[in-house]
Amino acid sequence: GDSVTQMEGPVTLSEEAFLTINCTYTATGYPSLFWYVQYPGEGLQLLLKATKADDKGSNKGFEATYRKETTSFHLEKGSVQVSDSAVYFCALSDLGDDKIIFGKGTRLHILP
Amino acid sequence: GAGVSQSPSNKVTEKGKDVELRCDPISGHTALYWYRQSLGQGLEFLIYFQGNSAPDKSGLPSDRFSAERTGGSVSTLTIQHTQQEDSAVYLCASSFRGGGSYEQYFGPGTRLTVT
Repeated sequence: GDSVTQMEGPVTLSEEAFLTINCTYTATGYPSLFWYVQYPGEGLQLLLKATKADDKGSNKGFEATYRKETTSFHLEKGSVQVSDSAVYFCALSDLGDDKIIFGKGTRLHILP
Repeated sequence: GAGVSQSPSNKVTEKGKDVELRCDPISGHTALYWYRQSLGQGLEFLIYFQGNSAPDKSGLPSDRFSAERTGGSVSTLTIQHTQQEDSAVYLCASSFRGGGSYEQYFGPGTRLTVT
């Protein structure tokens, strides 16, 4: 079945560092790909998405490119801030399906 | 406007008791989803509603779990004869329509602890 694998955390970086959180997926069809974020004490919210190969999703300085050839959707940010500290979930929804399949999440700590 | 709301926010129950968790979706959203978030397991899909019907119940872990939705709005997730492994945060989400391309909006969750 479909699945998402993302790097385990926690990931600890200093402010202004470059961030990469790796995510790869397995899907039988042509999935849409997502990154969700859960800030401390808040609900899960969509950060960005891409619906077809080579699409780049972006939001709040974060980017991820849908790479079909490597079945990857790595999350990147050029300069992280303390306020980016959160848990990040990579996810997919296969074409014609309704549910979202999530990775296990990566906790990110940004030190001032 | 109002987001997805869930109640209670926290629930502690004894093993063997039944519990009901409630979800109020965003007004006008026809699709509603239940997920479970537990340590080590990440987020697991439980059930999906389109209107009042549930075309996908594939994630319900056992027949102790059931859910219903009435009036195309409020949904209740019921767990009978709770077990300790049911302890988790139960998340509800809604979207304008079903299908993965529509953004799902999540509620704050209900933290269930079974003692």
